[in-house]
Amino acid sequence: GENVEQHPSTLSVQEGDSAVIKCTYSDSASNYFPWYKQELGKRPQLIIDIRSNVGEKKDQRIAVTLNKTAKHFSLHITETQPEDSAVYFCAASKGNNDMRFGAGTRLTVKP
Amino acid sequence: KAGVTQTPRYLIKTRGQQVTLSCSPISGHRSVSWYQQTPGQGLQFLFEYFSETQRNKGNFPGRFSGRQFSNSRSEMNVSTLELGDSALYLCASSLMGNSPLHFGNGTRLTVT
Repeated sequence: GENVEQHPSTLSVQEGDSAVIKCTYSDSASNYFPWYKQELGKRPQLIIDIRSNVGEKKDQRIAVTLNKTAKHFSLHITETQPEDSAVYFCAASKGNNDMRFGAGTRLTVKP
Repeated sequence: KAGVTQTPRYLIKTRGQQVTLSCSPISGHRSVSWYQQTPGQGLQFLFEYFSETQRNKGNFPGRFSGRQFSNSRSEMNVSTLELGDSALYLCASSLMGNSPLHFGNGTRLTVT
């Protein structure tokens, strides 16, 4: 099955700096790549997603890029704020809801 | 619309027992997926059901099983519980393939 690797496992940045989280996937048939944010004690929630026919997508301070050839995708958060502190998960799916997640990145934004 | 509802929120069981967890998806969602979450292991995929059929299965032993009913509600069963089964079990529903997953609050299972 699909294998998703995520790096780094922890990331600490100063408020206002940018944060980048990277993921690689193994199955070239994967075509849907969502990112989820999980705050402490809460459920994971979708923050942005990208499909394989698109190379980049932005939503305010959040952007995701996809390189299908290299089989990797990245999450970029600009102008980080303390409320961005959470665990972020990337995921990949082939379209049949067999969605596999990375191990997560714990982001800490220091005021 | 009501979100994904999981019951119970907490469970404490003893090794060797079995347990059943329940998940009610968002109205209209026919796909239900189950994940095991443990510290350091992220979200491990258990299985996914669509229209009462298991379409996908992760790498878990046969002690983990599930089913989906005609109203899309789903149950997950774990038999012969082991200490390592202690985890947060998350259910997620979605409208169709390649659409966002909507997670429930999870059931925290503790095996003693």
